[in-house]
Amino acid sequence: GDSVTQMEGPVTLSEEAFLTINCTYTATGYPSLFWYVQYPGEGLQLLLKATKADDKGSNKGFEATYRKETTSFHLEKGSVQVSDSAVYFCALSSNTGKLIFGQGTTLQVKP
Amino acid sequence: NAGVTQTPKFQVLKTGQSMTLQCAQDMNHNSMYWYRQDPGMGLRLIYYSASEGTTDKGEVPNGYNVSRLNKREFSLRLESAAPSQTSVYFCASRTTEWGANIQYFGAGTRLSVL
Repeated sequence: GDSVTQMEGPVTLSEEAFLTINCTYTATGYPSLFWYVQYPGEGLQLLLKATKADDKGSNKGFEATYRKETTSFHLEKGSVQVSDSAVYFCALSSNTGKLIFGQGTTLQVKP
Repeated sequence: NAGVTQTPKFQVLKTGQSMTLQCAQDMNHNSMYWYRQDPGMGLRLIYYSASEGTTDKGEVPNGYNVSRLNKREFSLRLESAAPSQTSVYFCASRTTEWGANIQYFGAGTRLSVL
């Protein structure tokens, strides 16, 4: 069945460092891909999305490119801030509309 | 715009007690979902409702029941709570935007079963 695999955390970075969180997927067909972010004590918020191969999703300085050839959707940010500390989830949407989530990666950014 | 509202935010139960988690959305979405979040396991789908009057099992439905009361409300019931049901529960509703299915989440219910 469909699945999503994320790099294990936690990831600890200093402010202004470059961030990469790896995500790979297995799916039949052509799923849409998402990154959701969960701040402490809150629900999940959509961070960015891509609906087809080679699409680049971007928001708040974060980017991810839908790579069909490597079945990947890695999250990147050029300069992280303390306020980016959160849990990040990669997810895919199957044809039925269900979301399949990765296990989540905790990011901690230190001043 | 309230979005997806869940109540209660926190709950402590004893083993064997029952309770209902409430969820309501004001975005006129047809589809609604219940997930549980456990450390290191991401979110797992418990039940979903593709439209008013229909419900279907997800990945981990055992020990739960749901009711799609109307288009706005989708409740999750634990008939006899067990410690294994200690978790954070999230409700979501779905729409289609820019060709993609987008889910919007509530703030969650943190449940402890002793």
